Amino acid sequence: GAGVSQSPSNKVTEKGKDVELRCDPISGHTALYWYRQSLGQGLEFLIYFQGNSAPDKSGLPSDRFSAERTGGSVSTLTIQRTQQEDSAVYLCASSLSGDQETQYFGPGTRLLVL
Amino acid sequence: QQQVKQSPQSLIVQKGGISIINCAYENTAFDYFPWYQQFPGKGPALLIAIRPDVSEKKEGRFTISFNKSAKQFSLHIMDSQPGDSATYFCAASPGTYKYIFGTGTRLKVLA
Repeated sequence: GAGVSQSPSNKVTEKGKDVELRCDPISGHTALYWYRQSLGQGLEFLIYFQGNSAPDKSGLPSDRFSAERTGGSVSTLTIQRTQQEDSAVYLCASSLSGDQETQYFGPGTRLLVL
Repeated sequence: QQQVKQSPQSLIVQKGGISIINCAYENTAFDYFPWYQQFPGKGPALLIAIRPDVSEKKEGRFTISFNKSAKQFSLHIMDSQPGDSATYFCAASPGTYKYIFGTGTRLKVLA
């Protein structure tokens, strides 16, 4: 079946603009995660969704970052007033129901803020 | 205490050799330790995982060794192949949805 998909695959934006990144999880997966991967760094946890609610937003680096999930499926990560330090690969993952289950990752969105 | 320390940062191995990547943790609540493999332009994919009730798990050429008392675990890739060239991430989970990832090891296997 289809894996996790993300769009766009690449995004170049100017400092101060808002961007929206989209994630389509595997069908039937109730848990969804967003991570950020900076050059040479590991995967930094941003937010966890269970269904449409986000019980853990602890990794969002500032109030410029927000995310939502609708219909228990598609999720959107929004970065407002982008800064150059926001440049990174943003990865989305989903799992069947959370709790140490295998997380399946999408290919990521490569964001470059000029 | 939530960190997972991974080494080396990069590794070059000859074809047919053994690749060894090490990870260490502090939090004794961690009880699930997966390894992920990431090829350029792709998302990470689960390679192999272990729980602390066993000291070793083998799947094909990939083996995880786990030392609970030392709070260390390692990935061994036997008979390394050029197709194994990728970035490898260890991770640890404290019994919940949350994974703490290491910083990654970029492996290059020379033909």
